[in-house]
Amino acid sequence: KAGVTQTPRYLIKTRGQQVTLSCSPISGHRSVSWYQQTPGQGLQFLFEYFSETQRNKGNFPGRFSGRQFSNSRSEMNVSTLELGDSALYLCASRSNTGQETQYFGPGTRLLVL
Amino acid sequence: TQLLEQSPQFLSIQEGENLTVYCNSSSVFSSLQWYRQEPGEGPVLLVTVVTGGEVKKLKRLTFQFGDARKDSSLHITAAQPGDTGLYLCAVIFSGSARQLTFGSGTQLTVLP
Repeated sequence: KAGVTQTPRYLIKTRGQQVTLSCSPISGHRSVSWYQQTPGQGLQFLFEYFSETQRNKGNFPGRFSGRQFSNSRSEMNVSTLELGDSALYLCASRSNTGQETQYFGPGTRLLVL
Repeated sequence: TQLLEQSPQFLSIQEGENLTVYCNSSSVFSSLQWYRQEPGEGPVLLVTVVTGGEVKKLKRLTFQFGDARKDSSLHITAAQPGDTGLYLCAVIFSGSARQLTFGSGTQLTVLP
């Protein structure tokens, strides 16, 4: 069974631009969570989607948004990029929200200049 | 504020040495997970501990859950360069809608 895939793997943007990141979960997994990882703040939860609905949301500004499609693939969007948005964005999938084991993708490394 | 503290933050040792990293909180957890993350990759689950006092072994790695289920330790025996990586503990705090909260991590470097 293929693992979680994320595209693109690397991205360079400038301040004020917007960006869309994509995540394909493990086949059969319906829950997708997004995390931001930075050296200063560590791994922080952004939001979780399950069956195309946002189930949970972390403490991030409204510039961070996401969606999930009927095939469970998910995208996250960051608008009006700031320098502080430079981070590794990780996606994780699990079979349902009751399962604690999450499987992470390799991440998208975003650099904002 | 619910905090999950890991120590040490950085650890650099020689191949063959033993080491222990710690994960502590003032809260009680129903379970705790340990992950390892290598450069350019996402975290990979190593183990889940659920019972106070529980000890689990994974080859040269020994994981222990505190009796009061507020802390955990990871001990590596005879470390090898392949053990190099970021070690993260993670828990689900009650009321967090089953979302993982991660510790700040321990960056381990094992020198050959």
